[in-house]
This record gives sequence, structure tokens and C-alpha cells, in this order.
Amino acid sequence: AQKITQTQPGMFVQEKEAVTLDCTYDTSDQSYGLFWYKQPSSGEMIFLIYQGSYDEQNATEGRYSLNFQKARKSANLVISASQLGDSAMYFCAMREGLPGGYQKVTFGTGTKLQVIP
Amino acid sequence: SAVISQKPSRDICQRGTSLTIQCQVDSQVTMMFWYRQQPGQSLTLIATANQGSEATYESGFVIDKFPISRPNLTFSTLTVSNMSPEDSSIYLCSVEVPQGSETQYFGPGTRLLVL
Repeated sequence: AQKITQTQPGMFVQEKEAVTLDCTYDTSDQSYGLFWYKQPSSGEMIFLIYQGSYDEQNATEGRYSLNFQKARKSANLVISASQLGDSAMYFCAMREGLPGGYQKVTFGTGTKLQVIP
Repeated sequence: SAVISQKPSRDICQRGTSLTIQCQVDSQVTMMFWYRQQPGQSLTLIATANQGSEATYESGFVIDKFPISRPNLTFSTLTVSNMSPEDSSIYLCSVEVPQGSETQYFGPGTRLLVL
């Protein structure tokens, strides 16, 4: 089974509108972390937001918020008031512990967001 | 966060040759990671590099093909050996910054094209 599933290969959003990018995950760990990264066409990976599995509040960072539904194992990214500069690939990722105390981050396949003027 | 630089930023290489990619961090970090991103794909972890020990390679990646050095807490290199066109990818270095979230921050990447 996929550890991280992003079902939307591509999304369009009108400038100034909000958009939700979906992410579901699969883990048997009780302690894990969920991340969202943005990758513009330049190729760099930009950290956006983090949610810990024990965090009771949804994480927010400026225009980014993470809609964390633990029972459903979903961690959707909400971008409010979209801007043209938000056009990029967005990757959901999960950090989990493996046997031996080793931690690993697994990335989803990404969603390409295009903001329309 | 951490400021990470990579050299070279891009290169075009002939098959059969090797390329060494450097990763420099502006602070001391325990964990450094090397990822590969093939065209249009997601990131795949190649190996984890801890200072003073052998790198830990993921399934499908071997030390002979991707030797890694980690001489100190701010620097690492990844060598792509005996390259073939299938090695054409973006190679990304990342570091884990323990700020409670143990977030990984990434370097700008090295775009490699093998002819």
C-alpha cells in the first residue's frame, strides 16, 4: 500500500480563491509527522507546514493551513487567497519511525497547482 | 531552518563518467539525506548520511553506484558513478533540523543530464 497518496495530479484555482490539496497516509505508528512542500519550476523544495500526530490543533502558517483528520488519516493542505506565485508542484510527506530507531520521510506523487488570473 | 547549498547546480555528463555533488550547510546537523527526483516523479530517498558512520542506503541503491562521504557535521558529497541516461535526475540534499518537528530542509538541487 502507498504510504502517502495524493489523488489529484493537477488542480486549477482562480486567483484570490481558496484551494484544497488532498493527502491521505498510511501508518501503524502512533507518533509521526506530516509535511507539505512546494516545488516551483526552479526545482527547489520549499517547506510549507508541519503537523505532528499528537497535535490537537490544525497547523497554520500564514495562508497555509493543514486540515488534519486523524481518524480518516488525511492531511489536506488549504491555501487561502491564491496568488499567481502559488503555481507549483505540491508534495505531501510523512515522517515515521522504523525498526531500530531510524526515521524516514516518504513523499507522495505530488499535485500540480495552477493559479489562473 | 538551515541554509543549504549544492554544487554544481546543473551538469551535462557523458555516459560512463562519474559526478560528485557537494552539499554544504550553514550549521552543524546530525542527519543529512540524499534524494533523487527523476523527471516528472516524486522524491526517492537514496541514503541517509550520519557523520562518522557509513551511509544507510535504501532498497534499490548501492554504495558502489552512489558512494557518499560525510566528513563533518556541515558537509557531504554524493557521487553518481558510471552514469547512464537513466541517472538523469535532480539530486537533492536535505538536512533534518530538530525544532520539535524534525523538519527536513532541502538544498536547491543538482540537475543532471547524462547523454
